[in-house]
Amino acid sequence: EPEVTQTPSHQVTQMGQEVILRCVPISNHLYFYWYRQILGQKVEFLVSFYNNEISEKSEIFDDQFSVERPDGSNFTLKIRSTKLEDSAMYFCASSGGSRGETQYFGPGTRLLVL
Amino acid sequence: GNSVTQMEGPVTLSEEAFLTINCTYTATGYPSLFWYVQYPGEGLQLLLKATKADDKGSNKGFEATYRKETTSFHLEKGSVQVSDSAVYFCALSRGGNNRKLIWGLGTSLAVNP
Repeated sequence: EPEVTQTPSHQVTQMGQEVILRCVPISNHLYFYWYRQILGQKVEFLVSFYNNEISEKSEIFDDQFSVERPDGSNFTLKIRSTKLEDSAMYFCASSGGSRGETQYFGPGTRLLVL
Repeated sequence: GNSVTQMEGPVTLSEEAFLTINCTYTATGYPSLFWYVQYPGEGLQLLLKATKADDKGSNKGFEATYRKETTSFHLEKGSVQVSDSAVYFCALSRGGNNRKLIWGLGTSLAVNP
C-alpha cells in the first residue's frame, strides 16, 4: 500500500540554524501539506501546496518557512533560522484531487531546537 | 471562523466498555469530517470520515454520523479493546480551495484489561 515517507525521523539543531525536512508524498497525489504538533498540543496546519505553488498558509507560516517540490517526488519544508518554539513534530500529508479526499500522513519528523 | 471542539480527556475505560467521544464543529458551508487516530509513538492515521450530512463513517468497529442539525460527529464503539488505547482527533475540511484540516485538541483513551 502506498505511503507517505519522511526523513529524518529525528533532528536536533541549534537555535538560528537552518533545517530542511523532507517528505515523499504518495505518487499520484496532487495536494501536499505540512502540519506540526507541539508536544501535548493540538495539530496545527502550516501550509498546503498544489500545482507547484502554495495554495493556503497559516499565520504560523511566516517568512522563516518555505516549501519546495524540487523534483517529481520530494516535498520539503525549510525553516531558515530555527527558534526554540519551532520544536515540534512535523507531519507531511498528501491527498488526491476530490472533495473530502483523505489526507494521508507520514510518520513525522521530531525537531528539537536547542 | 471554523473550529472543532472535542470532549476533554483522558478517558479511561475497561475492556469491552462502550465508548463515546464527542465532537462538535463550527464551519461555513458543508465541510467533510474526519476522525484520525494516533497510537503511541506513531503518526496520524485516518480512522473514518463522512463527507455529507447523515453519512455514517465506520472502520474497525468505530462509527460516527455526520449530524448537520447538531453540528456533531461523535465517535462511538460498542466494545473497546486494550489495543484501542490511543489519542483520537476530530477534524474538518471545508474543501475547495480550503482543504486544510482543522483539528480538535485530541482525546486520549486508555483501555484497561
